[in-house]
Amino acid sequence: EVQLLESGGGLVQTGGSLRLSCEASGFPFSSSTMTWVRQAPGKGLEWVSSLSDSGGTTYYADSVRGRFTISRDNYKNMLYLQMNNLRAEDTAVYYCARDTCSFTSCYHTSWGQGALVTVSS
Amino acid sequence: EIVLTQSPGTLSLSPGERATLSCRASQSLSSIYLAWYQQKPGQAPRLLIYGASSRATGIPDRFSGSGSGTDFTLTISRLEPEDFAAYYCQRYGSSPMYTFGQGTKLEIK
Repeated sequence: EVQLLESGGGLVQTGGSLRLSCEASGFPFSSSTMTWVRQAPGKGLEWVSSLSDSGGTTYYADSVRGRFTISRDNYKNMLYLQMNNLRAEDTAVYYCARDTCSFTSCYHTSWGQGALVTVSS
Repeated sequence: EIVLTQSPGTLSLSPGERATLSCRASQSLSSIYLAWYQQKPGQAPRLLIYGASSRATGIPDRFSGSGSGTDFTLTISRLEPEDFAAYYCQRYGSSPMYTFGQGTKLEIK
């Protein structure tokens, strides 16, 4: 059974930093592209960042590029999101997702339960 | 950048009725890049449809996807009580890698 378990959420001040972690199990983690998606309170889904299976290629939304860093440890089956210079608009539930790619397209086949990040002044 | 616009924003229907949800892209895109997700309150999203028309594992056949070019549709043939939720379309591509529509809330009438 695929499991994704996020941790590291919490309350942080504007301009502060936080690191989210996602522990993966039940699938070949080192062969999977991984993604972070967030959802602000009462709002829709927003793609944040993705990372290739080897960790060699990163992708970021314009809203977080230069402030957030995605990384992984394939030996520990862990995905991370380092978030710096946090803003009020980064307040959201952050979901970790496993991507499945087929015929040059990808989609999120498994999701974690989410971690809440609240940025307050 | 391709923008996805979903309509309606809210759809009010009764169990047993047919639901038709629309996702319109600002530019033509290949159907293999279009997916649909369902999200119930307090839960993580769940993949329903990928490649515009292929059901994900475990998804009931009352859910179907169709469309091409700029117009895509998610149809729920006969609504069950558990189908009332929010639905999002998503496009895979580049710059940015993924884009979501703003969502359609399907509520009980």
